[in-house]
Amino acid sequence: NAGVTQTPKFQVLKTGQSMTLQCAQDMNHEYMSWYRQDPGMGLRLIHYSVGAGITDQGEVPNGYNVSRSTTEDFPLRLLSAAPSQTSVYFCASSYSGTSVRGPEAFFGQGTRLTVV
Amino acid sequence: AQKVTQAQTEISVVEKEDVTLDCVYETRDTTYYLFWYKQPPSGELVFLIRRNSFDEQNEISGRYSWNFQKSTSSFNFTITASQVVDSAVYFCALSEPRMDSSYKLIFGSGTRLLVRP
Repeated sequence: NAGVTQTPKFQVLKTGQSMTLQCAQDMNHEYMSWYRQDPGMGLRLIHYSVGAGITDQGEVPNGYNVSRSTTEDFPLRLLSAAPSQTSVYFCASSYSGTSVRGPEAFFGQGTRLTVV
Repeated sequence: AQKVTQAQTEISVVEKEDVTLDCVYETRDTTYYLFWYKQPPSGELVFLIRRNSFDEQNEISGRYSWNFQKSTSSFNFTITASQVVDSAVYFCALSEPRMDSSYKLIFGSGTRLLVRP
């Protein structure tokens, strides 16, 4: 059981480049989210999705786009990378809050992104 | 507004000591969930426990135990007889419901635990 799979694990970008971070889950979870983790700031929500075709912004959405064409996949696109986007990115998935199976989020391994 | 405070930034203990990680939360919701996650040096985030607001029973899982007290808005985590493998950053999180019936996770800033041999 793969759980939540993120690729790549490491990436270096030049300022202004674009790229897509991939996220896939095989647990049939309704919810998927992207977080960024910066030193001393915990995890902050970038975008989330409550199901295929539905996405919404989190706390820090600027500079990022998402789409959810299938239940399994939730890619995060950086449109024009900036040094301020240097961070560790985590994708997460979970059942809905009303699920009897519990709403806890399961996280991918993370992507360490450096923008130079 | 919802908030999670982990006042202990870093804790250092010697192996076999007991250690308690504090978590205090703020919410106006009557129904909510609390969580603990572990982030070992390898970087992944590992789910440890979920507790809903209606269940104040303490939980024990091996060397781990959790004390949930609504009266003090706390959800503390104790590791008994700590081991070097317990060295990690531990995050407490609170669920915040959204208008669309989904919820978001509010994370504390984390407590770094170092267990020395």
